[in-house]
Amino acid sequence: DAKTTQPPSMDCAEGRAANLPCNHSTISGNEYVYWYRQIHSQGPQYIIHGLKNNETNEMASLIITEDRKSSTLILPHATLRDTAVYYCIVRVFSGSARQLTFGSGTQLTVLP
Amino acid sequence: GAVVSQHPSWVICKSGTSVKIECRSLDFQATTMFWYRQFPKQSLMLMATSSEGSKATYEQGVEKDKFLINHASLTLSTLTVTSAHPEDSSFYICSARSLAGGQGSYNEQFFGPGTRLTVL
Repeated sequence: DAKTTQPPSMDCAEGRAANLPCNHSTISGNEYVYWYRQIHSQGPQYIIHGLKNNETNEMASLIITEDRKSSTLILPHATLRDTAVYYCIVRVFSGSARQLTFGSGTQLTVLP
Repeated sequence: GAVVSQHPSWVICKSGTSVKIECRSLDFQATTMFWYRQFPKQSLMLMATSSEGSKATYEQGVEKDKFLINHASLTLSTLTVTSAHPEDSSFYICSARSLAGGQGSYNEQFFGPGTRLTVL
């Protein structure tokens, strides 16, 4: 699986959009970009995933660059409850038993 | 989304004792379950992968005789930490992956809430 690079920490004001970047320059054509987050002392929570098109769901939007070498997770209106570590993971989507491999992630702190 | 539960949520034990942690998929069948370990201020590290009815596959450096995994059914996996020592104190998280065509169309992994193990 391709390796990802994320900033170790970011701050965001409550109510503003949080934009979390992720670099995955070695991504291959059949690898998806997944985003999970982990609130302190809880298990990771799935947020969104995508292949090459931008994706949006009730939690966030995922913007993937045209060359797919980087992506941005957008939380449109961050709240204090969005404070968490956000993990960007690149993995082949298949029916195999391959696991998610977690990097160090970005600690997002939403400030009041 | 699908729910994965873990029991207990926290446990304190004496050094040398064994501790069993249960992981259940509550509303879906899991072909594969994963066990992760997370030390303070670190990321999740995969310990092992288990499939129902077969032996678990352990990651390099994880002692299979110390961390016993039993995937008894499509909804239950257990992790037993045998002869626990203080260095085994950690946050243990299980994850379950649904059967193809089950929850969602992308075989997403669902995570449990974690179990905090403290060995005195």
